[in-house]
Amino acid sequence: KQEVTQIPAALSVPEGENLVLNCSFTDSAIYNLQWFRQDPGKGLTSLLLIQSSQREQTSGRLNASLDKSSGRSTLYIAASQPGDSATYLCAAITGANNLFFGTGTRLTVIP
Amino acid sequence: GAGVSQSPRYKVAKRGQDVALRCDPISGHVSLFWYQQALGQGPEFLTYFQNEAQLDKSGLPSDRFFAERPEGSVSTLKIQRTQQEDSAVYLCASSRSGQGTNSPLHFGNGTRLTVT
Repeated sequence: KQEVTQIPAALSVPEGENLVLNCSFTDSAIYNLQWFRQDPGKGLTSLLLIQSSQREQTSGRLNASLDKSSGRSTLYIAASQPGDSATYLCAAITGANNLFFGTGTRLTVIP
Repeated sequence: GAGVSQSPRYKVAKRGQDVALRCDPISGHVSLFWYQQALGQGPEFLTYFQNEAQLDKSGLPSDRFFAERPEGSVSTLKIQRTQQEDSAVYLCASSRSGQGTNSPLHFGNGTRLTVT
């Protein structure tokens, strides 16, 4: 079974800092990898989806990279803002339409 | 609709009661997924529909869990004889792609089930 790990579990940074969230997965035979954010009491909002043939995707201040061979993905957030405070989840997507989620990184950006 | 809608938002059930959770996916979305998210954990897959067909139910934890999507749009997740370990947030997601893997999943806000 695919195991997904996210490090760190929690992160607190001052506003304006750049930061990196890490995601690792045990089975490199993934179809896609997707990053989500989850606000307290809310569902998941899709941030970036990286297909297995791609190495990175960018959206605004967010950049996600994927290295299938090493089983790793990173989410880079530039110039962090208090509104970025949320839990960030990565999910490895298998060809069977399953998403295997990590337990998330809880980010707090301090004004 | 504008997004995936789930109801009720919160549900409290006494142990042994049956519950039904509803999901309205984005109009026209072919794929529909149900996930269970325990406190402090990532969501875990329960079941997957492509239109009205339930193609994968390998994540359903027991035969007390049943899901349907009879007309290929609205889906209902039913839990019979609820147990305390069923307490969790139940998330529904839909995607445009029939394969569900090349287009992003869009999640609802979930139903928080508490079994007392």
